[in-house]
Amino acid sequence: TQLLEQSPQFLSIQEGENLTVYCNSSSVFSSLQWYRQEPGEGPVLLVTVVTGGEVKKLKRLTFQFGDARKDSSLHITAAQPGDTGLYLCAGGDPTSGTYKYIFGTGTRLKVLA
Amino acid sequence: DAGVIQSPRHEVTEMGQEVTLRCKPISGHDYLFWYRQTMMRGLELLIYFNNNVPIDDSGMPEDRFSAKMPNASFSTLKIQPSEPRDSAVYFCASSLVYPTAGTQYFGPGTRLLVL
Repeated sequence: TQLLEQSPQFLSIQEGENLTVYCNSSSVFSSLQWYRQEPGEGPVLLVTVVTGGEVKKLKRLTFQFGDARKDSSLHITAAQPGDTGLYLCAGGDPTSGTYKYIFGTGTRLKVLA
Repeated sequence: DAGVIQSPRHEVTEMGQEVTLRCKPISGHDYLFWYRQTMMRGLELLIYFNNNVPIDDSGMPEDRFSAKMPNASFSTLKIQPSEPRDSAVYFCASSLVYPTAGTQYFGPGTRLLVL
């Protein structure tokens, strides 16, 4: 079974600070997705990366897929209270005959005003 | 578009009772997923359907769980009999295409508490 470990588990920062969240595995994934989940709601997809080394930017958020497609990072510049939430990475499992995404353990971010 | 609709939003039941969770996917989406989220185990895929046919049910915990999709606009997840360890938030999601280019749209979830 492939596992996706996210770090840190919890992060509390002040508005305006920068932060990076990591998603690591010993297995190779065919693609990697990042979601944000707010309390009482379902996860919302932020980005999908499919190529090793790929970098995507979404306003203040920068996503990178590792060269070996085993890890990924999410960097937030000048965090705002609206960035508060649970961040989940999900790896596409190429070993599954039916193909499915495996979700990481999550990073709970709180941005203080 | 209304998004993925789930009902009920909250369910409290006693151990041994039958629980049925309902989902209406986004119209036109061919894929439907059932997930379970707990603090201990995170978000886990239970089962997914393509064109109303179950494709992968390897995540279904045991025979007490069953899922059906009688038509393209409705799916149910049933737990019978329910146990306290089934307490979790259950999400339904749908996708137009899958997997690499597909976006899974999640519903608001059903929060289940089994006493």
